[in-house]
Amino acid sequence: GAGVSQSPRYKVAKRGQDVALRCDPISGHVSLFWYQQALGQGPEFLTYFQNEAQLDKSGLPSDRFFAERPEGSVSTLKIQRTQQEDSAVYLCASSDFRSAGETQYFGPGTRLLVL
Amino acid sequence: QQQVKQSPQSLIVQKGGISIINCAYENTAFDYFPWYQQFPGKGPALLIAIRPDVSEKKEGRFTISFNKSAKQFSLHIMDSQPGDSATYFCAAMAGTASKLTFGTGTRLQVTL
Repeated sequence: GAGVSQSPRYKVAKRGQDVALRCDPISGHVSLFWYQQALGQGPEFLTYFQNEAQLDKSGLPSDRFFAERPEGSVSTLKIQRTQQEDSAVYLCASSDFRSAGETQYFGPGTRLLVL
Repeated sequence: QQQVKQSPQSLIVQKGGISIINCAYENTAFDYFPWYQQFPGKGPALLIAIRPDVSEKKEGRFTISFNKSAKQFSLHIMDSQPGDSATYFCAAMAGTASKLTFGTGTRLQVTL
């Protein structure tokens, strides 16, 4: 079946603009994660959903970052008033411990550049 | 606070050689240790994973060695091939359906 998809793949924003990044997880996966990957670094956790419930948002760097998953499938990561330090690749991952154990399947990411 | 330390930062290995990447962790609550492979422009993909109840796991050319007392684990790639050239990340997780904590990555280049 289809893997995790993310859109847009690339986003250029002017400092101060709001952006919305979309993640389509693998169908049926209850768990959804967002990670931020700076250039040359490992992914860092942002937030976690189980179905529509946001169970962990401890990694969100500021209140400018907001994530939602209203129907328990597609998720959107929103960044308000973008700043240059927000430039990174934003990765989405999904998993289903009932069928696939702990494996997290990653999408290709959205590369965000804030000018 | 870097909870998973990875080394080396980069590695060059000749075709047919053995690539070895090491990781160390601090949090004793970690109980799942995957290795991910990432190609440029792609998301990380699971390569192999281990739980601390075993000291070694092998899948094809890839082997994880795990030392619970030292809180260290390593990835060995046997008979390294040019197609293995990628960035490798170790990671750790505590519990089920939980966040992954990643190392900083190792850029592997396999030369002909």
